Formats: sequence, structure tokens, C-alpha cells
Amino acid sequence: GDSVTQMEGPVTLSEEAFLTINCTYTATGYPSLFWYVQYPGEGLQLLLKATKADDKGSNKGFEATYRKETTSFHLEKGSVQVSDSAVYFCALSDYTGNQFYFGTGTSLTVIP
Amino acid sequence: DAGVTQSPTHLIKTRGQQVTLRCSPKSGHDTVSWYQQALGQGPQFIFQYYEEEERQRGNFPDRFSGHQFPNYSSELNVNALLLGDSALYLCASSLGRNSPLHFGNGTRLTVT
Repeated sequence: GDSVTQMEGPVTLSEEAFLTINCTYTATGYPSLFWYVQYPGEGLQLLLKATKADDKGSNKGFEATYRKETTSFHLEKGSVQVSDSAVYFCALSDYTGNQFYFGTGTSLTVIP
Repeated sequence: DAGVTQSPTHLIKTRGQQVTLRCSPKSGHDTVSWYQQALGQGPQFIFQYYEEEERQRGNFPDRFSGHQFPNYSSELNVNALLLGDSALYLCASSLGRNSPLHFGNGTRLTVT
């Protein structure tokens, strides 16, 4: 069945460091891929998405490229800020577009 | 523009009891999905409602049931509660297939 695997945390970085959170997926067909973020005390929010191979999603300085050949959708940011501290979830929507599969989440803490 | 609202925010029930959780979707959205998020895990799909019918269901027992009303709001019902049902229950609304999910802040259910 469909699934998402993302790197385990927690991840702790200094401000202005480079961030990569790895995400790989298994899916039937051609899913859409998403990154969601959950800030402390808040609900899940969409960070970025990509709907087909080689698409790059971007938002708030974060980027992720849909790599069909490696079934990956790694999240990157060139220079993290303290305000980026949150839990990040990689997700895909199945071939129906109705059901989303989420990874287990990666907790990021950015220290000044 | 109101986002997704859920009620109540917290709930404590005893094993064997029944519970009803409520959700109002984001304005303009016609589809409501319910997810269960156990501590330290990603959300897991319970089911999705569209046009007042269950359109798709995840791997959850029949003890989990739902309803969608003409105004697109939705309820999640869980019968014969088990200790393992303790989790954060998330409601998400969307417009159309493959469209990003907009999440509420969730209902924290504790079964004792």
C-alpha cells in the first residue's frame, strides 16, 4: 500500500544553518506530494506541494522537488530561523486524491 | 474568513462509552476528512465525506462512523470506546480531489 517514510528526529540546528529533512514514498500511480508544518500549539498547515514529477514546491524559503526516479521529496531550507522550530510532516495523496498518507513527523528546533 | 473549527477541544471518556466530535469546514469547502493522530505519529485517515456520503474509508473499524450535513459540517462518532482510541482527532476540509487539506486544531480524546 501507499506509505511515506521520513527521517526521524528530533533535529536541532543553529540559526542560519542549512536544513534537509528526507522523505521517500511508496505509491500506486502518480501521487501529489505535500509538506505540512505544525507550529507549537497550532494545527497542521500546508507548507508546500508538488503535483507531478520534477515539480518544485516552494514557500517561506523552503523547497522540495518531486523526484520520481528516487521516489523522494526532501525538504530543504538554506538558512533556518528560530521561528522555523516546528514539526514537519511529509504526505502524499493516493490515486483517488481523497486519502492522504502522512509520515511520522520530524521535530525541528532552531537555537539562536 | 473562518478556518476549520472543531469542538470540543478536549474530552475525557470512559472505556465503553460513545463520543461525538464536531467539525465546521473552511468557508467554501465541500469535503470533510477525519484523521486520527496518536502521540508521536502522523495523522491516519479515518474517512472522507462529500455530498453527505462517505466517499472513502481508511482502515478503521465500524465503531467509527460519521455524518455530513447539508451545510457541509460533519460529525465523527466512536462507539464502544477503547483505551487505544485515545488520540488527537483532526478534521480537515478541502475543495475537490487532490486539493490541499486545511486542518482544524483537533479534539484531544482521552479514554480512561
